[in-house]
Amino acid sequence: GNSVTQMEGPVTLSEEAFLTINCTYTATGYPSLFWYVQYPGEGLQLLLKATKADDKGSNKGFEATYRKETTSFHLEKGSVQVSDSAVYFCALRATGGGADGLTFGKGTHLIIQP
Amino acid sequence: DAGITQSPRHKVTETGTPVTLRCHQTENHRYMYWYRQDPGHGLRLIHYSYGVKDTDKGEVSDGYSVSRSKTEDFLLTLESATSSQTSVYFCAISEQGATNEKLFFGSGTQLSVL
Repeated sequence: GNSVTQMEGPVTLSEEAFLTINCTYTATGYPSLFWYVQYPGEGLQLLLKATKADDKGSNKGFEATYRKETTSFHLEKGSVQVSDSAVYFCALRATGGGADGLTFGKGTHLIIQP
Repeated sequence: DAGITQSPRHKVTETGTPVTLRCHQTENHRYMYWYRQDPGHGLRLIHYSYGVKDTDKGEVSDGYSVSRSKTEDFLLTLESATSSQTSVYFCAISEQGATNEKLFFGSGTQLSVL
């Protein structure tokens, strides 16, 4: 079956540090890949996505590249801010499997200290 | 923001009682989903719907039922609540269910079963 593996954390960084959150996946075919962010007390919001190999998704200074050869979609940001503190979820949507939604990783809790 | 309303936002109930959670959308999207979020598990799919009266089971459907009598409403029912169903429940919607299409999430319902 489909699965997503990501570091759970918590990950604690100082403001302006470089961020990497690793995500690897298992899926048949050519899934689409997503990063969602959840701020305290809220639902999930799409952060970025990539729909084919070598695509780079980007938003709000965050980037992730779809690497089919390593089945990875690592999230990066060059300089984090306190406001980036949240839980980040890597997810995939399988080829032709749109009817059953997204498969999520367990989430990574990110804490940015001033 | 997508028009998704979940009700109630918070509920405390006792073991063995029936509980119904409601998801209402104003986007006229075809696909609707119920997820539960638990520490160490991320989000897991309970049930989903691909049209009025068309529903199917997800990964963790035992103990839950759903109904969709109108495009805009998707109800999740716990026939006899158990403590293991204490969780945060999220509704999500998707317009066409395509592989590269994102999901929009509601703000969640915090359910506590005592």
